[in-house]
Amino acid sequence: QSALTQPASVSGSPGQSITISCTGSSSDVGGYNYVSWYQKHPGKAPKLMIYDVDYRPSGVSDRFSGSKSGNTASLTISGLQAEDEADYFCSSYTSSSTVVFGGGTKLTVL
Amino acid sequence: QVQLVQSGAEVKKPGASVKVSCKASGYTFTGYYLHWVRQAPGQGLEWMGWINPNNGVTNYAQKFQGWVSMTRDTSISTAYMELSRLRSDDTALYYCARDQGGASAVFHFDYWGQGSLVTVSS
Repeated sequence: QSALTQPASVSGSPGQSITISCTGSSSDVGGYNYVSWYQKHPGKAPKLMIYDVDYRPSGVSDRFSGSKSGNTASLTISGLQAEDEADYFCSSYTSSSTVVFGGGTKLTVL
Repeated sequence: QVQLVQSGAEVKKPGASVKVSCKASGYTFTGYYLHWVRQAPGQGLEWMGWINPNNGVTNYAQKFQGWVSMTRDTSISTAYMELSRLRSDDTALYYCARDQGGASAVFHFDYWGQGSLVTVSS
């Protein structure tokens, strides 16, 4: 199972919006609404930010939103804040009853 | 509160095996699937597999089939991940993570352990 494809890095200024893409195939992203997004700060465990494409866990800011079109899912962060600077990983359920992650995207808040 | 507490760092020689533990508290251990995920230095997250603590059924990523084993001891609410025939590129931080779905896995992870660093070096 190949890793999902994410851009290596994205950047934005405080207050702006950014979008991170996550491209897979019909066997994972395109075939199921089981796409999740995780935020990871250095030295910390990943934190669930979005699940089932566009659901936010309790306590996650509504500045974070998810969507999907075909084989590509996206994470949008609006009103960028310095604390959003982190690595972001997408994941998807697959047709083999397994999970595949994206390679990760480093978000820099300028 | 839900907590997953993992075992400490390990240093192993190539060809050896390592067994990492993950002790759960604050919820019914047998009620939620547990997954194992690793992150090598400077690399992304890599899913290794899951175990259903209720019955011990497992499913491993194809890459790890034949050299990973996930088990559990329900009497002490602890899951284990054992990786054999270690190589230098198995050096990574290994995480256990709880599936949010309960009795039916939903394949996203709401609680994570703190990570266990495994270093493979001769």
